[in-house]
Amino acid sequence: EVQLVESGGGLVQPGGSLRLSCAVSGFTVSSNYMSWVRQAPGKGLEWVSIIYSGGSTYYADSVKGKFTISRDDSKNTLYLQMNSLRAEDTAIYYCATAVAGYGKYFQHWGQGTLVTVSS
Amino acid sequence: EIVLTQSPGTLSLSPGERATLSCRASQSVSSNYLAWYQQKPGQAPRLLIYGASSRATGIPDRFSGSGSGTDFTLTISRLEPEDFAVYYCQQYGSSRWTFGQGTKVEIK
Repeated sequence: EVQLVESGGGLVQPGGSLRLSCAVSGFTVSSNYMSWVRQAPGKGLEWVSIIYSGGSTYYADSVKGKFTISRDDSKNTLYLQMNSLRAEDTAIYYCATAVAGYGKYFQHWGQGTLVTVSS
Repeated sequence: EIVLTQSPGTLSLSPGERATLSCRASQSVSSNYLAWYQQKPGQAPRLLIYGASSRATGIPDRFSGSGSGTDFTLTISRLEPEDFAVYYCQQYGSSRWTFGQGTKVEIK
């Protein structure tokens, strides 16, 4: 069974930084595509970033230059380093597995971690 | 960037009725890369449909997807009480993913 458990969310001041983690079991992070998707309170889903099995990374324009996605293959864990945070980055952040081939959809999801940017 | 527009915003129906949800793209989307998700309050999204019309593992056959090009549809043939939720479409193109804004299916 695939399980994804996010952690690292919390309250941070505008301009601050936070690093989210996603511990994965039942699925090899390094061999697959892994992504972050966020959801602002009461709003819809927004794709944030993805890391391919080969290590290539891609970002939504809204976070490019502020967020960095990475992984630790030895820990089978995905990360999202978030810098220069603003109120509009307040959201639940989900990690998700992404199918690399046909479909390119998000198959397995964690329960999310809440990031609140406020003074 | 491809924009997905879902309609209606809210669908008020009774259990047993048929639900038809629309997802329109601002430019043509490969059917291979159109998916639908269900989200209930306080829960993560759940994959329903991928490749526009393929049901994900464990999804009941009352859920079906169709469409091509810029117009896609999710149909729930007979609403069960557990189907009242928000539904999102999602597309992939050029290493970018976008979601529609969602359609809420509520009990009438």
